[in-house]
Amino acid sequence: TAGITQAPTSQILAAGRSMTLRCTQDMRHNAMYWYRQDLGLGLRLIHYSNTAGTTGKGEVPDGYSVSRANTDDFPLTLASAVPSQTSVYFCASSDDRGGGELFFGEGSRLTVL
Amino acid sequence: GEDVEQSLFLSVREGDSSVINCTYTDSSSTYLYWYKQEPGAGLQLLTYIFSNMDMKQDQRLTVLLNKKDKHLSLRIADTQTGDSAIYFCAEIRGSQGNLIFGKGTKLSVKP
Repeated sequence: TAGITQAPTSQILAAGRSMTLRCTQDMRHNAMYWYRQDLGLGLRLIHYSNTAGTTGKGEVPDGYSVSRANTDDFPLTLASAVPSQTSVYFCASSDDRGGGELFFGEGSRLTVL
Repeated sequence: GEDVEQSLFLSVREGDSSVINCTYTDSSSTYLYWYKQEPGAGLQLLTYIFSNMDMKQDQRLTVLLNKKDKHLSLRIADTQTGDSAIYFCAEIRGSQGNLIFGKGTKLSVKP
């Protein structure tokens, strides 16, 4: 079973360019999340979606946008990348908000120069 | 918001017990979690404890919860080299029920 698929695995991007990180799940989970992982800072929630058609802001939403047109896909867009957005980005999903296990993708490593 | 606190590093010898500690912030969290991240991979749920429990044991893993002090610990008995990873404590926070992680404790197991 695929679970959560993220793409690309790795990307180098020039500052000022836009980029969309893709996330697809095949578990029909209602909730999806984007986290960024940085050394010494752990995982921080960027945006989340409780169900298709809804999104919400997490701890560090500035500079990022998301959409949830359907249950399976939850893309994360950087409209104009800056070097501080260099990070490893993890997409996750869960079937049950407020208590359910989160299933994570393998991560997308983004470097902004 | 306040941070979920963990020490960043722990080093133990193979066969010893490892204890990873965490201080969380939201006393209304219904569940508290431990996730494990192996190198180059995403996080995977290791174990969790419901907030009305003091202790949960699952094979080599023991989770202790002190709600008064908002303290959570994970004990790994007979630690193996395969246990080397980063361990994240996490709590459910706020009305949206989002999962908030600590910074992670990197466990190194020496042979």
